[in-house]
Amino acid sequence: GAVVSQHPSRVICKSGTSVKIECRSLDFQATTMFWYRQFPKQSLMLMATSNEGSKATYEQGVEKDKFLINHASLTLSTLTVTSAHPEDSSFYICSASQGQEYSPLHFGNGTRLTVT
Amino acid sequence: AQSVAQPEDQVNVAEGNPLTVKCTYSVSGNPYLFWYVQYPNRGLQFLLKYITGDNLVKGSYGFEAEFNKSQTSFHLKKPSALVSDSALYFCAVRGAQYNFNKFYFGSGTKLNVKP
Repeated sequence: GAVVSQHPSRVICKSGTSVKIECRSLDFQATTMFWYRQFPKQSLMLMATSNEGSKATYEQGVEKDKFLINHASLTLSTLTVTSAHPEDSSFYICSASQGQEYSPLHFGNGTRLTVT
Repeated sequence: AQSVAQPEDQVNVAEGNPLTVKCTYSVSGNPYLFWYVQYPNRGLQFLLKYITGDNLVKGSYGFEAEFNKSQTSFHLKKPSALVSDSALYFCAVRGAQYNFNKFYFGSGTKLNVKP
């Protein structure tokens, strides 16, 4: 149980275009989802917290107009990287919470974004 | 504020030997601690957690972790390492009561198990 599906797993796009990444909780309802960015050989950097039906909460230094997050349902959150640049190339990982205090976070398999 | 520290960037161990990956924590309130493993180009997989109760917690793939309140540590252990255990390991602590959905991750420790 508690499976999180993230799609696509890899994407290559041209500079200036937008890319959408989907994160779905397959067998549970996720009131809260989290988006992380991971640089090579580095830890996870929390970008934003996505709450169903409300605006996402962005961490300091993360551009909300560049990284658009939508959490339209209890099983789906999307991250759109707008006007992508090569420096946006990274590994993006979503995670979802079942909302219970003792529950672990469940992670998707990540999306490798390469902007050329 | 909640935080965890993983003092070792990398741990090397021979197959069959015991392994330890270190984690120390700093929290306000009760610590809810977690270990995750990440294989290359994959997301994180949950290994085990400590909420309350026994200080020795058993998890997936033969891993266990020992909670030590006096030393504020939560080290990950395995009695006999496998080459397939080679991966990146993250310790994490859950946010305080008002923000328990937020997790704080350590910097990660790369485990190398050599045949």
